[in-house]
Amino acid sequence: DGGITQSPKYLFRKEGQNVTLSCEQNLNHDAMYWYRQDPGQGLRLIYYSQIVNDFQKGDIAEGYSVSREKKESFPLTVTSAQKNPTAFYLCASSRRQGAGEKLFFGSGTQLSVL
Amino acid sequence: GQQLNQSPQSMFIQEGEDVSMNCTSSSIFNTWLWYKQEPGEGPVLLIALYKAGELTSNGRLTAQFGITRKDSFLNISASIPSDVGIYFCAANALNFGKGTSLLVTP
Repeated sequence: DGGITQSPKYLFRKEGQNVTLSCEQNLNHDAMYWYRQDPGQGLRLIYYSQIVNDFQKGDIAEGYSVSREKKESFPLTVTSAQKNPTAFYLCASSRRQGAGEKLFFGSGTQLSVL
Repeated sequence: GQQLNQSPQSMFIQEGEDVSMNCTSSSIFNTWLWYKQEPGEGPVLLIALYKAGELTSNGRLTAQFGITRKDSFLNISASIPSDVGIYFCAANALNFGKGTSLLVTP
């Protein structure tokens, strides 16, 4: 089955620790995205990638980093510089980045700080 | 990205009632998309609109692309408990509304 997979479902971070969230898709999509969701805040774009080896900052990129070495994979690292990392993180993909492109979402990762 | 203005923020209704929510923007867009998110999951696409004035249905859901291309509406008829979730409008991957949280009581 084609789809987009996020792991782990739940993740805990200690103070000062970097953690990496995984996102894999087998839809052959060029574009991938990371969103952060806080209660009542909707979806806020962290980073997006239109093609392999290329990515752009979204609205709230500070304290996060990404890589896009393979078309299928777009991991997100939450660094120690992100002082309020507790949130629900969603990864998505689309055929390409542009108007009208339908997004396919993963089932999310809930990150909490210990 | 620009946040779209979505309202109402939340709705608490009884089963069988009809629901209406809308999304507006100060900018013109050529596409409007409506997603539903159930608790603890990622959003799923419900309806996509590509033409101003377009009215599209998906079962009990009906969405319209405003003539001005600055707004869109989503209606749910005869709501049922499984309609519970957060409904998001989006113009593209970079522009999302903050969502309408829908609760339905039996």
